[in-house]
Amino acid sequence: DARVTQTPRHKVTEMGQEVTMRCQPILGHNTVFWYRQTMMQGLELLAYFRNRAPLDDSGMPKDRFSAEMPDATLATLKIQPSEPRDSAVYFCASGLVRDGRGVTDTQYFGPGTRLTVL
Amino acid sequence: QKEVEQNSGPLSVPEGAIASLNCTYSDRVSQSFFWYRQYSGKSPELIMSIYSNGDKEDGRFTAQLNKASQYVSLLIRDSQPSDSATYLCAVIRKIQGAQKLVFGQGTRLTINP
Repeated sequence: DARVTQTPRHKVTEMGQEVTMRCQPILGHNTVFWYRQTMMQGLELLAYFRNRAPLDDSGMPKDRFSAEMPDATLATLKIQPSEPRDSAVYFCASGLVRDGRGVTDTQYFGPGTRLTVL
Repeated sequence: QKEVEQNSGPLSVPEGAIASLNCTYSDRVSQSFFWYRQYSGKSPELIMSIYSNGDKEDGRFTAQLNKASQYVSLLIRDSQPSDSATYLCAVIRKIQGAQKLVFGQGTRLTINP
């Protein structure tokens, strides 16, 4: 059955290192979202893409975070350099926008990448 | 004021009873509302969506929306231990020309056998 996949599932790294998280959206979906979840802040939208074009990344710290979609089957989120405050679970979600509506009704979430920055 | 507010709980309900989860939102023009369920260590999954005032039922779940009061709720009838999870309320908001799904902090629900 179709699922969003994310790699790696867990990542432990040291402060200052580069971290790359990958997401494969559900085939045929045209919208991809990156979220970050922490106990303190809850689930926050970092960035989203439609048809591979970035629509909004206002939730993302620009100085260290970057998000791309090199092709329709791969989305990446990079943190460089990483900091301990970046420790969180990062979720990718995908969906399908139809008929010119702005946001998909149903977003399917991947299993998440649990990032720990020491 | 947070855009989407939920009581963080924990909310404890005996098995078989009705669990009632509440959510308020700040943007009066919001039109689309969702409830997601998230089990511990897992990703959120959509369980209900509602767009019109009133009630929407799906099995043991009923979503209720009152746009005048900016209030949306989720009722779980005949609650089961497997319903124990965190329930996230989400609202579509138009921010800087883009439509975004904004989540509440979630309510942790425990169903006691």
